[in-house]
Amino acid sequence: QVQLVQSGAEVQKPGASVKVSCKTSGYTFTDYHLHWVRQAPGEGLEWVGCINGNSGGTHYAQKFQGRVTMTRDTSSSTAFMDLSRLTSDDTALYYCARETWFYDSWGQGTLVTVSS
Amino acid sequence: DIVMTQSPDSLAVSLGERATINCTSSQSVFHSSTNKNHLAWYQQKSGQPPKLLIYWASTRESGVPDRFGGSGSGTDFTLTVSSLQAEDVAVYYCQQYCGLPRTFGQGTKVEIK
Repeated sequence: QVQLVQSGAEVQKPGASVKVSCKTSGYTFTDYHLHWVRQAPGEGLEWVGCINGNSGGTHYAQKFQGRVTMTRDTSSSTAFMDLSRLTSDDTALYYCARETWFYDSWGQGTLVTVSS
Repeated sequence: DIVMTQSPDSLAVSLGERATINCTSSQSVFHSSTNKNHLAWYQQKSGQPPKLLIYWASTRESGVPDRFGGSGSGTDFTLTVSSLQAEDVAVYYCQQYCGLPRTFGQGTKVEIK
């Protein structure tokens, strides 16, 4: 079965960077795009960006341009999201999700807390 | 960007009664390349990631109970729970996948009256 397993919770200071991983299994990694969606505490879902599992091509939401980098390692079927220059507004649960047009499988979420 | 707006923000429904959630997009999410509406519905229970319920506006995901139904076309869509069960308490989101950036509605919280 399709599984997306994310890395553990992170606590970072303002101005620092965080790298979250999403290890996939149960399907051919290079056949799909992987998206990242975040959810601030008590808030809704916000699209961060996506990566093509085959080509590595990326698209980012405008508000994260210049701060986010998405990469992948096809040998381990793992996607990564790196977010820099963190502020308290980046405190959120970050989800990876497999796209088949829509999101049919989601990771369990990684809580990133930004606090001094 | 396509703005997705849901109504209401919350609703309380008695067990066994119908729950109806509306979703409006700022531009049509019907795509001529697929001849389909690029609209999905997700259910998010407390402490869990979202779960896909409906895609292509009206196709139920495998394993989703048939009391969940989606309808609509173009810019106006509806998620209906025909007979609300206790396990349906959740926040429901619509999402368009017609273009980038992908966008979600603000969510509708469904509770038991």
